[in-house]
Order: sequence, then C-alpha cells, then structure tokens
Amino acid sequence: AQTVTQSQPEMSVQEAETVTLSCTYDTSESDYYLFWYKQPPSRQMILVIRQEAYKQQNATENRFSVNFQKAAKSFSLKISDSQLGDAAMYFCAYRSARGASTPLVFGKGTRLSVIA
Amino acid sequence: DAEITQSPRHKITETGRQVTLACHQTWNHNNMFWYRQDLGHGLRLIHYSYGVQDTNKGEVSDGYSVSRSNTEDLPLTLESAASSQTSVYFCASSDSGASSYNEQFFGPGTRLTVL
Repeated sequence: AQTVTQSQPEMSVQEAETVTLSCTYDTSESDYYLFWYKQPPSRQMILVIRQEAYKQQNATENRFSVNFQKAAKSFSLKISDSQLGDAAMYFCAYRSARGASTPLVFGKGTRLSVIA
Repeated sequence: DAEITQSPRHKITETGRQVTLACHQTWNHNNMFWYRQDLGHGLRLIHYSYGVQDTNKGEVSDGYSVSRSNTEDLPLTLESAASSQTSVYFCASSDSGASSYNEQFFGPGTRLTVL
C-alpha cells in the first residue's frame, strides 16, 4: 500500500518570504499523480497544484511550485511571496494511475502560519 | 453551476444511534468517495463507488456503510454511532473521462459529534 509522509506538523513564515513544505511517499508503482491541497479555516479542500509522475518538469501555479524528485520519492511545495491568505493546513496526496480515478492517499498535513 | 453538497453540515448524536450523512453532486461524475478527517491523521478513505450499484471498502470502513442507487448520491450510514466516529466527514467526486488527472472535487464537509 502507498503511504504519504509529511514530517512537519507545523511551519511558520514571515509575510512576503518563501517557505517549503516537505512531502515524501512510498510506492512500488511507476505511474501516479501527486497533489497539494490547501484547507483554510473554512474546511474547504482546495487543490493547489498537481504533478504527473512521468513528467520531469516541476509544476508551477503562480506563487506555488513543486520540487518533484521521483527517485527520492519526494514532492515538496514551495510558496513564494507568502501572503496572510496562505495560512492554512496543507495536505500532500498521492493517487495511483492504475485506474481512471483511484482514491487519494493523504499525508497527515502541515499547518502553515503566516506572520505579518 | 455544478457542485457537490453535504448535509447536514453539523450533527450531534448519541452513542448507538444510526446516522446518515448525505452527499449529492451535480457534476454527473461516476466516482464518489467518503473520507474522514481527524487531527493527526489527515484524511482517510472510508468507502468509494465507481458507479451505480458499485461500492468498495476503504482503509477505515468498519462501522460504516454506503449504497449507490443513482449517479448523484452516495449516502454514508453509521449503523451504530460510536464516540470514535466523532470526526469531520468529506465527500468527493470525480469523472472517469479523458483527463488523466480526473480531479476530485470535495464537498464542504460534515462535522459529526457522537456523545
């Protein structure tokens, strides 16, 4: 079974600075997808960024980017120019590519605080 | 606009009672999922369905059941609620189309307290 590990339960960053959230995963599969979700206090799950394992190029969405290291099974999220609205719980998630839409496997989450 | 809704948003019940949490999506998605979120555990899969009459157990399915009689709904039933089932419950849905990502869209969650 696949597992996802987020080793940082809590992180903090100064407004306008950059922060990196760590995620590692364990799988024997070669084809899969990786995601970062943001959960603000409203509880809504918001997809931040996604990566296909067969793509070597790291995904980027505005201020959010990932560092995908397939051999190391690492998928970290970098948030640049941090804003107060970035304060939230962040979850790393894995999905097998075996089927059209297999369930997600989540890490335990990292709570990010942004200091003004 | 298409959406996924959950009801109720909050519920308090007593140990031993049967509880049903509703999930309704208007995306016309084939796939639907139930997760529970607990502090220190992230989100864990309870049950999922790939279509009408199809249901599958997830990692933490004990004490829960689902049934899929139409495309839009996947209700989650707690047969005899236990305090260990106090949690926030999320429903999600996704398509099985040509898009490789087949993104899962999440409902707003239901906070369930079992006293």
